[in-house]
Amino acid sequence: GAVVSQHPSWVICKSGTSVKIECRSLDFQATTMFWYRQFPKQSLMLMATSNEGSKATYEQGVEKDKFLINHASLTLSTLTVTSAHPEDSSFYICSARDMGPGVGNIQYFGAGTRLSVL
Amino acid sequence: AQTVTQSQPEMSVQEAETVTLSCTYDTSESNYYLFWYKQPPSRQMILVIRQEAYKQQNATENRFSVNFQKAAKSFSLKISDSQLGDTAMYFCAFLPNTGNQFYFGTGTSLTVIP
Repeated sequence: GAVVSQHPSWVICKSGTSVKIECRSLDFQATTMFWYRQFPKQSLMLMATSNEGSKATYEQGVEKDKFLINHASLTLSTLTVTSAHPEDSSFYICSARDMGPGVGNIQYFGAGTRLSVL
Repeated sequence: AQTVTQSQPEMSVQEAETVTLSCTYDTSESNYYLFWYKQPPSRQMILVIRQEAYKQQNATENRFSVNFQKAAKSFSLKISDSQLGDTAMYFCAFLPNTGNQFYFGTGTSLTVIP
């Protein structure tokens, strides 16, 4: 099946620094990618929808200036956590939909990024 | 608005036995997709099975099958011959045909006991 690569898998940073997470679709083009946040033992919370060539759509309550999303190509979306603070520590997951013919709108997920802010 | 409900936060099953995870959803859409995703301790989300709402036949993938009841808006997952590797969180998800966003349930933590 299709593969979505997410990097890095784990990052530790100091409070006040910015962290960039990359999400790539490896064998299909994704005009839309999604960024989720997941707290321990909870479901995925959609943060934003990343649209290639246009601005991301953020869910209510998500600070767009804190979580910058760039979808510069059909295979790459990035999430930058700006001026990270300990409360931003979480597990971030990206996904992309393969909308090719006969695929059935399957959403493929990256392996996730564990962010720890000291 | 779409909602997905998983009423079983935790379940356990003996190895080789069968277990059923429940999922109900609420929607006014007539056409949509339903999915079960598995999240093992590695936290990688893995697609288990999917169902297209316009298809009456229940989807099956090896040991995994669903019981899709469209009128009741129910989409349960049956795991037969449970294996230790099935231990994971299982999320039910809904995708409206007219939309772009997936809606996830709160998850069921399944433990397979040796």
